[in-house]
Amino acid sequence: AQSVTQLGSHVSVSEGALVLLRCNYSSSVPPYLFWYVQYPNQGLQLLLKYTSAATLVKGINGFEAEFKKSETSFHLTKPSAHMSDAAEYFCAVSEYSGGGADGLTFGKGTHLIIQP
Amino acid sequence: DADVTQTPRNRITKTGKRIMLECSQTKGHDRMYWYRQDPGLGLQLIYYSFDVKDINKGEISDGYSVSRQAQAKFSLSLESAIPNQTALYFCATSDSGTGGIEQFFGPGTRLTVL
Repeated sequence: AQSVTQLGSHVSVSEGALVLLRCNYSSSVPPYLFWYVQYPNQGLQLLLKYTSAATLVKGINGFEAEFKKSETSFHLTKPSAHMSDAAEYFCAVSEYSGGGADGLTFGKGTHLIIQP
Repeated sequence: DADVTQTPRNRITKTGKRIMLECSQTKGHDRMYWYRQDPGLGLQLIYYSFDVKDINKGEISDGYSVSRQAQAKFSLSLESAIPNQTALYFCATSDSGTGGIEQFFGPGTRLTVL
């Protein structure tokens, strides 16, 4: 069974500082990994995805994530935080079982706070 | 226009009432999903459907039922609502033609059960 652990339910950084949101996964097969962002009172928007191609994945809004199989990690980073990055971020994993991917398994989320 | 729509967007109901949440999509995707979101718990899968005749339970299906009326419509029902079903509910779709891996989410329905 697949699972996702996001370290830190709340992360606070200063505007202009590095953003690092941590995600570790467990999967019985090579996984597909995702980061979603949820702005207040909105649905989920896909930031980026890993689907077994390049291990460094670039997404929207300057975010990127690196798949590290040996560490079972998929941490999300952004070099310079902006006030508009304040939101809830979810890491998710999916397994492709031949019959198709089932539903996503989500982490509990990390609330990113940007200090001015 | 939104590709995945959910109605209603907000609903307040009372314990014991039957309620239906509806999801429609114009993306032409064959797969549809229902999730619930609780603060601090992330999203949990309730049901998913790979096509009109294929319905599957997710990790938290107790107390819920679904109906796939057409490829574009997937409804979630609470037969007898209870307060711990108060949550934010999301519908999502994916396309088996591309492996069904990436999911696209609707705006959510906020349900309050008093």
